[in-house]
Order: sequence, then structure tokens, then C-alpha cells
Amino acid sequence: GAVVSQHPSRVICKSGTSVKIECRSLDFQATTMFWYRQFPKQSLMLMATSNEGSKATYEQGVEKDKFLINHASLTLSTLTVTSAHPEDSSFYICSARDIGSYNEQFFGPGTRLTVL
Amino acid sequence: QQQVKQSPQSLIVQKGGISIINCAYENTAFDYFPWYQQFPGKGPALLIAIRPDVSEKKEGRFTISFNKSAKQFSLHIMDSQPGDSATYFCAAYQVGGGPGGSYIPTFGRGTSLIVHP
Repeated sequence: GAVVSQHPSRVICKSGTSVKIECRSLDFQATTMFWYRQFPKQSLMLMATSNEGSKATYEQGVEKDKFLINHASLTLSTLTVTSAHPEDSSFYICSARDIGSYNEQFFGPGTRLTVL
Repeated sequence: QQQVKQSPQSLIVQKGGISIINCAYENTAFDYFPWYQQFPGKGPALLIAIRPDVSEKKEGRFTISFNKSAKQFSLHIMDSQPGDSATYFCAAYQVGGGPGGSYIPTFGRGTSLIVHP
């Protein structure tokens, strides 16, 4: 199946700093990528839809100025958590949509963010 | 709001037993129903998926049963193994796109499966 990578897999930062998370589709081109947030023992919560070359579409309640998304190429989307605070600590997962495979979404391995 | 209701929330099965997880959906426009397996600290991985033109799909020990009229689908894990212990999510979405639909999956809340050796 298609492979999606995320980097870093784990990051610890101080409150007030910004953190960038990369999501890459390794063997297919993804015009659309998605960013999810997952709290312990809960389901995935969609944060935003990222379209290559255009602005991201944010879900209701997600602060677009806090969670900056850039989808500069067909294989790379980035999520930047700006001025991170402890409540932003979570597991962030990206997925990429493969239009050549029933629009199936393939998920990255996730990034564990801990804000001290 | 579109929902996919998943049950049970947790499931404990003995090794060799059958694990059954159920999901029900509301949006009749959904036309793709995947199941994902997620291990702790990892992203979800596609396990098996079905489209509504068939009532059952089997891949190894994993089977999806689909009931279009009841708007329900279920995952059966035969001969469950300790290595199957994970969280399982069902999802549903509209692959074909179109008005009123979306290719963004709606996820169930997840089922934590524990298989005892």
C-alpha cells in the first residue's frame, strides 16, 4: 500500500515555541492531505484539509492562526503549531488521499507533541 | 451531523476466539467502508475495506459483513491472536464525491480489543 511518513515522530518543546510537523507521501502524489488530532483512547478528530497550492480548510473550532498548514507540493504538507501551550500536547496524525486508489486515505505514523 | 456509531467500546477475547465489532451509519451517500487498526503510539493502518455492492469481503482472518438495508457493517476477526490486540476504527465516506457528500471519512469512536493468550 501507499506510504505516508511524518517527521518528527516525537517532539518536546517549551511553552511559547513553535513546532513544525512534516507529512510526506512517499510513493504517490497527494493533492489532498488531512491533519488529525487524537487524544488518548479517543477517535481521530479532523483539524483541517490541506489542498496543494491553496489555503487549507479548517474544521469548526480549530484556530487557523494557531495551526498553520502549508501544502507546497504534491508530496508534502506541514503543520506548524504556533506559540504552543501545554493544552496543545497531543498525537497529531496526517493522512494523504490517493486519487488513484478509490480516494483511499493512507495515514502517517503520527507525531507525539509534548509541550512543557 | 453525520455519525458512525461503533460498538462495543472495548472487547476482550480469548486466543482462538472470534472478535466482532459493529458499526452503523446514517448517510446513505456513503459508498466506502474501511476498517483501520491502530497500535499504541502509531497511526491507523488500513485493514480491510468494502464497497456497498457486495455483502461480504474476506481477507485472511478478517471479514467485513455489510448490510446495506440496515446501514450496518461489521468486522469479524477469526482465530483472534494476541497480536491482534489494538484499537479498531470503522469509517465511512463518499468516494465518488458529488453534492452533499464528502470524501472525508467519518470515523467511529473505536474499539479497544484485547486478546488473551
